[in-house]
Amino acid sequence: DTAVSQTPKYLVTQMGNDKSIKCEQNLGHDTMYWYKQDSKKFLKIMFSYNNKELIINETVPNRFSPKSPDKAHLNLHINSLELGDSAVYFCASSQWDLLGKELFFGEGSRLTVL
Amino acid sequence: AQSVAQPEDQVNVAEGNPLTVKCTYSVSGNPYLFWYVQYPNRGLQFLLKYITGDNLVKGSYGFEAEFNKSQTSFHLKKPSALVSDSALYFCAVRDSSGNNRLAFGKGNQVVVIP
Repeated sequence: DTAVSQTPKYLVTQMGNDKSIKCEQNLGHDTMYWYKQDSKKFLKIMFSYNNKELIINETVPNRFSPKSPDKAHLNLHINSLELGDSAVYFCASSQWDLLGKELFFGEGSRLTVL
Repeated sequence: AQSVAQPEDQVNVAEGNPLTVKCTYSVSGNPYLFWYVQYPNRGLQFLLKYITGDNLVKGSYGFEAEFNKSQTSFHLKKPSALVSDSALYFCAVRDSSGNNRLAFGKGNQVVVIP
């Protein structure tokens, strides 16, 4: 069973289109994240939800809108796609606490904007 | 805000030789330190972490890391590298304030030469 699963794995689309990436975790975690990995492999957090509540919202264009229908799911919708949005988007989950629980990552969704 | 520096871009090592990947961190308060590995076209996988206690931490696949508070370092080590260890390695730090923000370094590409 895949712990953190993202769909789709690959997305190729034109500028200006809208696309969504879905993420689901079956680990029973209460916190989920979206990270963006650029072409230089640098990882940057975008959003984090704890029990469906937004707790981290980095400086991300408002074309990006996360949605968490329940604590096992965190989706990412992107409007009006731009060339600079091309990247690999990783979903991750963890258990919220103060003792440093590790993150579990999905396999990534590679978005290519033409 | 917490941050991590991984000074080298690429680490080349011959198979069977010791492998070291360097990491220094900056954080207010006590650090929670992590190492992750990313194989090509895969998500990040957790290797090990330091939260408290013994400064030498052992993790998956024969890796270990040593926490050095005075040098603010958390170097990853493996006594004898395998070709299959070739991957991208990320150091990450979280502070103990409870903001749940994990800051990643830029990553180090490790190449193990047969």
